[in-house]
Amino acid sequence: QSALTQPASVSGSPGQSITISCTGTSSDVGGYNYVSWYQQHLGKAPKLVICDVSNRPSGVSNRFSGSKSGNTASLTISGLQAEDEADYYCTSYTSSRNLWVFGGGTKLTVL
Amino acid sequence: QLQLQESGSGLVKPSQTLSLTCAVSGGSSGSGAYSWSWIRQPPGKGLEWIGYIYHTGTTYYNPSLKSRVTISVDRSKNQFSLKLTSVTAADTAVYYCASSGRGNYYFDYWGQGTLVTVSS
Repeated sequence: QSALTQPASVSGSPGQSITISCTGTSSDVGGYNYVSWYQQHLGKAPKLVICDVSNRPSGVSNRFSGSKSGNTASLTISGLQAEDEADYYCTSYTSSRNLWVFGGGTKLTVL
Repeated sequence: QLQLQESGSGLVKPSQTLSLTCAVSGGSSGSGAYSWSWIRQPPGKGLEWIGYIYHTGTTYYNPSLKSRVTISVDRSKNQFSLKLTSVTAADTAVYYCASSGRGNYYFDYWGQGTLVTVSS
């Protein structure tokens, strides 16, 4: 069982927007602004798409945005494109003995 | 731009030690500019953080693996390493090395990953 809870799957049509949630506790998501999101295409290494809750690294499309409310962080992808179909993982710094905890991952299907 | 490349044995027998290295290019493994992590992903499953090493050599490990894990940095070879002892089939996974820039609480660069299978 993962420390952070994500939906197993989400789907959307091209051009639509989707949001993936990531729920933790006050010891991780709620306690720090250190939530990051990773995109992983099949057979590839994860790629950072959002850091520090809502910051986009250089080169990442502005269709990707992040936010946080309480113990839940969210990744929103607007204007869905076929290339967005991938698995998405959230992670957070934590004050527990683990430095980082991951979510279980969400499979995004573009219909 | 930093580049990371994992290498090591792809097949390890149960009870033996898994050993992997991560070669760093485009930056120094011993400088204070980066810290280094190992992360793994069992087939068809999610990501699991294994451990982390600062440029100072200070390490932090996932408590569930702590008794079996050692991460070290070899500045002379510009690489860092993972050793996991007493492996079982549950340790079969793709192992990734990753970097975190100074002061960053995320993994900004990743290696391509290497599959390690534990089997007799």
